[in-house]
Amino acid sequence: DVKVTQSSRYLVKRTGEKVFLECVQDMDHENMFWYRQDPGLGLRLIYFSYDVKMKEKGDIPEGYSVSREKKERFSLILESASTNQTSMYLCASSSRDRFLTDTQYFGPGTRLTVL
Amino acid sequence: DAKTTQPTSMDCAEGRAANLPCNHSTISGNEYVYWYRQIHSQGPQYIIHGLKNNETNEMASLIITEDRKSSTLILPHATLRDTAVYYCIAHRGSWGKLQFGAGTQVVVTP
Repeated sequence: DVKVTQSSRYLVKRTGEKVFLECVQDMDHENMFWYRQDPGLGLRLIYFSYDVKMKEKGDIPEGYSVSREKKERFSLILESASTNQTSMYLCASSSRDRFLTDTQYFGPGTRLTVL
Repeated sequence: DAKTTQPTSMDCAEGRAANLPCNHSTISGNEYVYWYRQIHSQGPQYIIHGLKNNETNEMASLIITEDRKSSTLILPHATLRDTAVYYCIAHRGSWGKLQFGAGTQVVVTP
């Protein structure tokens, strides 16, 4: 069964703190993604990775960085948290399926509040 | 990715089939129809996807019209746990970002 886990379901941090969000998948997937989801704005891609130590910027990378040291783990880092980074953060992973398509599977999400 | 259009909301009685429509009239030949759902405050859950043939898995069936301009997701026996926002997405199936629209809020009632 497909399994993507995220380190926390809820997190409260203060402005200026460094925040680490971790994502782990147990499906041996090559690709991993970080999105944020906000009301009225839908899903927005922050960063993605298609291999260990590889990363690509998504649509809104500013204020974020990522790390992928192992295939199963993809971390999102907020270098200096700000209130406009209060959001639901979603991790996903994907790999080729029988259609030769990449189907993304999501984790449960982390609701981050920055005070 | 092609734009998709879904009804804003629909109700369904528990135990009955739920038929969720989606229009994607500008879908291109290499775009798949994907369905996800999101239960309140949880991550999106993959349901099913297809290119032009009808597909079925343990969760649902996907019926795609011959011209591929529309599709229907069928939940054969809706339960209260199927209450969620359902998203229909046209996506090339290559790795890259997913874009969710507003989706359909489905409420299953006893």
